[in-house]
Amino acid sequence: EPEVTQTPSHQVTQMGQEVILRCVPISNHLYFYWYRQILGQKVEFLVSFYNNEISEKSEIFDDQFSVERPDGSNFTLKIRSTKLEDSAMYFCASSSPDAEELFFGEGSRLTVL
Amino acid sequence: AQSVTQLGSHVSVSEGALVLLRCNYSSSVPPYLFWYVQYPNQGLQLLLKYTSAATLVKGINGFEAEFKKSETSFHLTKPSAHMSDAAEYFCAVSPSGSARQLTFGSGTQLTVLP
Repeated sequence: EPEVTQTPSHQVTQMGQEVILRCVPISNHLYFYWYRQILGQKVEFLVSFYNNEISEKSEIFDDQFSVERPDGSNFTLKIRSTKLEDSAMYFCASSSPDAEELFFGEGSRLTVL
Repeated sequence: AQSVTQLGSHVSVSEGALVLLRCNYSSSVPPYLFWYVQYPNQGLQLLLKYTSAATLVKGINGFEAEFKKSETSFHLTKPSAHMSDAAEYFCAVSPSGSARQLTFGSGTQLTVLP
């Protein structure tokens, strides 16, 4: 069964460093998403991406964040200068155009020290 | 704005007992409602979804949920719990006909006791 894969599974970084989280969506999907879950809190929508541009984003997704589809398979989330409060589990998801179901990856845990 | 509230961050049931996980929603428009499950060290997996068709929705692994507009609820049930059901369960709502921008509840950790 096709699945969304994410790397790394866990990353530890120093505050102020740049981090790139990578995702390989399901191959025939056209919509891509990032969600995050701070420990003990709700899963929160960050951004959706379609046709090489952001289609929707939440207020969490500020100028420190960016997304990119650098090639035909990867979808990345970049955090330019990490803060302590960026520590969270980041989930990538993808869907077909009707978006009746989002398929999530296993998550990348980011720890900012 | 839409939101969901999951009552009970932790629920324990005995194997073979009824599972009931509660979710109440708040929405100014007809909502689309979802239940996701997260097994340890895995991603979120869709259990079932309500998209304004039948109010009783059947999902995978024997789970079902009933949409009750009068109670603004979408509780998840399973008649007989299995050890493999131990996981975290998330209720989510979407304002549109798709799952594109989900608002999740805080999750309920289900423990199944032998």
